[in-house]
Amino acid sequence: DAGVTQSPTHLIKTRGQQVTLRCSPKSGHDTVSWYQQALGQGPQFIFQYYEEEERQRGNFPDRFSGHQFPNYSSELNVNALLLGDSALYLCASSLRLYNSPLHFGNGTRLTVT
Amino acid sequence: GENVGLHLPTLSVQEGDNSIINCAYSNSASDYFIWYKQESGKGPQFIIDIRSNMDKRQGQRVTVLLNKTVKHLSLQIAATQPGDSAVYFCAENNAGGATNKLIFGTGTLLAVQP
Repeated sequence: DAGVTQSPTHLIKTRGQQVTLRCSPKSGHDTVSWYQQALGQGPQFIFQYYEEEERQRGNFPDRFSGHQFPNYSSELNVNALLLGDSALYLCASSLRLYNSPLHFGNGTRLTVT
Repeated sequence: GENVGLHLPTLSVQEGDNSIINCAYSNSASDYFIWYKQESGKGPQFIIDIRSNMDKRQGQRVTVLLNKTVKHLSLQIAATQPGDSAVYFCAENNAGGATNKLIFGTGTLLAVQP
């Protein structure tokens, strides 16, 4: 039973560029959340998707957008990259049920130069 | 890999001892709490969860205690092993039934000395 998978594992981009990160949820899960983790800090909530719609959003600018596909996989897009966007981007999947645990992938390490 | 241990509180224990990792959460309305373990270069791994209608829950070698009066959560690891070395995060859900939006603490680095 595959867990949450993310691609790519590492990525280097230049300021101003755009990036797309991908996530496949754990088998049986229908909800995908994205988190940003800066070095030495806990993950911060970006947004959550289920039924192909953004359901809740954290304190991130509109440069961060996402998408969920009918097979529950998801993409995170970041436009006009800033140096401060360098971080580990984590995808987590869960059941839609309230208070069901989130299961995380190993993340994509994004470096903006 | 990802070094998540920079600038984090550190708990150093001897192999075989019991470990207690503490966490103060922020919102008295939070009704669900999770402990995660994060090893270098990996994503957070689910350890154990507890709902606010409980004050204790046990898993394999781990126990979570919840004190809602003082908004405090702890993770106890019995017979700590070198493989337990990692950063441990507590997370709370205070979305009021709307969704599973976790707020993470700053993390504690557990260093197990052989």
